[in-house]
Parts: sequence; structure tokens; C-alpha cells
Amino acid sequence: EAGVAQSPRYKIIEKRQSVAFWCNPISGHATLYWYQQILGQGPKLLIQFQNNGVVDDSQLPKDRFSAERLKGVDSTLKIQPAKLEDSAVYLCASSLDTDGTQYFGPGTRLLVL
Amino acid sequence: KNEVEQSPQNLTAQEGEFITINCSYSVGISALHWLQQHPGGGIVSLFMLSSGKKKHGRLIATINIQEKHSSLHITASHPRDSAVYICAVPDKLIFGTGTRLQVFP
Repeated sequence: EAGVAQSPRYKIIEKRQSVAFWCNPISGHATLYWYQQILGQGPKLLIQFQNNGVVDDSQLPKDRFSAERLKGVDSTLKIQPAKLEDSAVYLCASSLDTDGTQYFGPGTRLLVL
Repeated sequence: KNEVEQSPQNLTAQEGEFITINCSYSVGISALHWLQQHPGGGIVSLFMLSSGKKKHGRLIATINIQEKHSSLHITASHPRDSAVYICAVPDKLIFGTGTRLQVFP
């Protein structure tokens, strides 16, 4: 069974530029999560989708971050404009439902210079 | 001590000279990037290295995993090579302080 796919694997941008990350969850998984993991810290949940609806986006910095899951499958996370402190690994995870085991993708490593 | 150290910090050269910029790192890595930043801020990724040597035009990058050392060489330097060169370890989110290169005609 294919796992959670993410792209790109690495991204290096200048501050104030925009960037987008893509996630393809495991087939059939209704719940999708985006996490931000800053070096040396644990992952922080940015947003949780159930199908194409948002369950929790309380920690998403909505002035610059946005995410969508229009058809309830793939999801994109966008940062516009990026700041230096956005340098982190962005992890996508999926689960069958909101209480299920989460399966993580390989992450996208963002470096903002 | 920084986990990624570059030398020299500043470098001036006459057009045509062979240039070497060094990068030493103290962390385990899966890949190392060389970046070029021109005045005005544009950043270009020159190379991503995990072993050996890569060449692109007049630019050559080498890496020695055992010695934790990488070098960027510019052959037959030209004034348009004037820029800041940065080595970075993206999977650790750390980068060197940069080497400012000026090539004079």
C-alpha cells in the first residue's frame, strides 16, 4: 500500500516569497493533517481536515498560511509571504478517521533565507 | 562554533583567477547545497551534493563525507560571478555565513 506522498522534498526561498506544498494521503483516508516541526521542537498541528472540511485550524497563522483540500483527497499548504521563522519541516499525515492511527509523509524541508 | 563554517568570509579576485570557497560542517548530513545570492537578493541553487563531485560550466563542487568538508571552485572567474556563496544543510535547516566574492576586470 502506498504511503503518504509529499512534494517537494526541499524548498529554499527568500523571505517575502510564496511557497506551496502538496500532500497526497493514503487512499481512503478521510482525515488529513498538516504539521509544522521547527528544528529541536515537536510537531505543531497547523490544520486538520475531515474529507474537504476543516476540523481544527486554531494554530494556523491565517494572515500568511492557507490550506485547502477541495476534493477531499489531495491537499495543498501555502505560505504567502514567507518569513525567516517559517523555516521548518512541514509534515502531512492521514488517518482513516479522526481517531485513527496517523501515517506521516516524508515531510517538506523549507529554508527561508 | 557554528555547525557549518565557511571560509573565507570575503574574497576578491582578478578576472580569470581560479577561486576556491570552503565549507566544513560538524553534523551528519544526507546532502549539502551550494547557493549563490547576487546583489539585489536573487538566490540560485547551484549544486546539491551527497557524494563526490559535480560540475556545471565553470563551477565545480566537491564533497568529502569522511572529512565533512565541501569546496566550491570557480574556474576562469568573471565579474558576473560576483555574489555571496552560501553552503547549506537543508535537512538540518542550517547554513553557513556566506562568502562574499568580488571579481574585478
